[in-house]
Amino acid sequence: AQSVTQLGSHVSVSEGALVLLRCNYSSSVPPYLFWYVQYPNQGLQLLLKYTSAATLVKGINGFEAEFKKSETSFHLTKPSAHMSDAAEYFCAVSVNTGFQKLVFGTGTRLLVSP
Amino acid sequence: EAQVTQNPRYLITVTGKKLTVTCSQNMNHEYMSWYRQDPGLGLRQIYYSMNVEVTDKGDVPEGYKVSRKEKRNFPLILESPSPNQTSLYFCASSSGTGGKTGELFFGEGSRLTVL
Repeated sequence: AQSVTQLGSHVSVSEGALVLLRCNYSSSVPPYLFWYVQYPNQGLQLLLKYTSAATLVKGINGFEAEFKKSETSFHLTKPSAHMSDAAEYFCAVSVNTGFQKLVFGTGTRLLVSP
Repeated sequence: EAQVTQNPRYLITVTGKKLTVTCSQNMNHEYMSWYRQDPGLGLRQIYYSMNVEVTDKGDVPEGYKVSRKEKRNFPLILESPSPNQTSLYFCASSSGTGGKTGELFFGEGSRLTVL
């Protein structure tokens, strides 16, 4: 069954530092992969998605993720963190059952300090 | 403005008292779904609906009911709430194409506490 594992429930960075949030997936078929972001007291919103086109995917707010099949990874990065990036980030994999079912990881809370 | 609206946003209730959390979307989306979010567990799907009168169980359907009588509405019903249903609930919707690629639009969440 498809699943995702997010390493680290909390990640702390300083403002201006590199952001790296890790996600590894398990899938027997080529997956669709996603990153969603949840700001405090809000619902989730799509940050970026991989759907088998380019392996380097660019999203909103300067985030990007690279699909690496050999490592079964889809890590999220941003070169320079801003205070406004503080949020919870969820990696998700899509299960191919017609209408896609998303299976979410457990989430990583990003803390950004001045 | 395109949105998914959930009500109530916050609710405290007691064990066994039936409640309904409403969800409405104004984007004419076919696909709608309910998730619950619990610390350390991420989001887990409760029920989903691919269109009017078509609903199916997700991963954690026990204790919940849904209905889809109109395209825009997808209420979540807790017939006899129990404390283990204390959680943050999210409704989400997607168009046909978006549903196939996982692009979901989420409501702002409903925080439910069952005493």
